[in-house]
Amino acid sequence: QKEVEQDPGPLSVPEGAIVSLNCTYSNSAFQYFMWYRQYSRKGPELLMYTYSSGNKEDGRFTAQVDKSSKYISLFIRDSQPSDSATYLCAMSARMYSGGGADGLTFGKGTHLIIQP
Amino acid sequence: DGGITQSPKYLFRKEGQNVTLSCEQNLNHDAMYWYRQDPGQGLRLIYYSQIVNDFQKGDIAEGYSVSREKKESFPLTVTSAQKNPTAFYLCASRGGQGKTYNSPLHFGNGTRLTVT
Repeated sequence: QKEVEQDPGPLSVPEGAIVSLNCTYSNSAFQYFMWYRQYSRKGPELLMYTYSSGNKEDGRFTAQVDKSSKYISLFIRDSQPSDSATYLCAMSARMYSGGGADGLTFGKGTHLIIQP
Repeated sequence: DGGITQSPKYLFRKEGQNVTLSCEQNLNHDAMYWYRQDPGQGLRLIYYSQIVNDFQKGDIAEGYSVSREKKESFPLTVTSAQKNPTAFYLCASRGGQGKTYNSPLHFGNGTRLTVT
């Protein structure tokens, strides 16, 4: 079982829809969870950064963490064509516990397309 | 504005030649990282450096070399020993010292290297 699983998509939805992006993980030591957005031929930019379980909201974006299910989600409300990008989840443990040498483990990204 | 600058954006080389990718940051971050991104494979860590004059191999260091002579700079050399060098290369940095696994990465906009 891979440490972080993320559906690569593409996920295509109409403009204005609510988008749900998800990652599952196997390492129960992960405590810090991130979502990055990456446009084509650009570097990833940090969207959301959360610790432990619960929800965090920032504008149209909501990050949700369910540690009991080892499941994280990113919701995008009122989706816009400019939201079309690849979304990467990333996570790390409080103390080094598996993952890459930098302590971070990335999902492979979900390609999202918002149709005008 | 603070950030990470990678240059050039596109780089073309003939097989058998070494090539150096530049990464400069003005965020005053101690830790810097090099990742490789291939379609469908996610981000893979090549090398990282947590302090000047020190660096460590990541998961796929073979065929690559780095130096960290200045805090602001972390150049990556792709040598002729790298069997599949064509890829998108991303540089990242993170604040703090030591094993700061809890702070998010900030990325540059990448260099697309094509070797023919």
